[in-house]
Amino acid sequence: QSALTQPASVSGSPGQSITISCTGTSSDVGGYNYVSWYQQHPGKAPKLMIYEVSNRPSGVPDRFSGSKSGNTASLTISGLQAEDEADYYCSSYTSSSTQVFGGGTKLTVL
Amino acid sequence: QVQLQESGPGLVKPSETLSLTCTVSGGSISSYYWSWIRQPPGKGLEWIGYIYYSGSTNYNPSLKSRVTISVDTSKNQFSLKLSSVTAADTAVYYCARHGCSGGSCSIGYGMDVWGQGTTVTVSS
Repeated sequence: QSALTQPASVSGSPGQSITISCTGTSSDVGGYNYVSWYQQHPGKAPKLMIYEVSNRPSGVPDRFSGSKSGNTASLTISGLQAEDEADYYCSSYTSSSTQVFGGGTKLTVL
Repeated sequence: QVQLQESGPGLVKPSETLSLTCTVSGGSISSYYWSWIRQPPGKGLEWIGYIYYSGSTNYNPSLKSRVTISVDTSKNQFSLKLSSVTAADTAVYYCARHGCSGGSCSIGYGMDVWGQGTTVTVSS
């Protein structure tokens, strides 16, 4: 299985909005509403931010939102804050009943 | 709340078998799917495989020939074995729980609880 495709890096200023894309195929992202997004700060374990494309676990700010169109899922962070600076990974369920991650995106808050 | 803790040797020799255990505390291992994930130094996350509490498993095709994941419900633990390791298997290894939604649990749901990770180095 091939890793999902994410941009290597994105940046934005405090208060702005950014969007991270995650492109797969009809056998993963496009075929199921089972896309998740994770935030990882340096030296820490990943934290679930979005599940089932657009659902937020309790405790995750509503500044974080997810969507999907075709084979591409997106994570949008609005009202960017300094603490949002981290690596972000998407993942998807696949037709082989496995999971696949994206390569990760480094978010820099300018 | 549920917590996960990985344990096992931090150093493994090339060609040997890496063995890790994830202990679940604060909740039951039953009814959930559990995964192993790894992250080589400076690189991204790689899903290794999952196990259901009943024992059914599935693995990353790229690692399938070398991976075995097992569960011990009496100890609330699940384990990872990775054989014939090389330097490329050096990574932080995480265990994680797949969540449930609407009363249904599936590998499709996000991994909502993670262990802190354990570093495994493959070197002679």
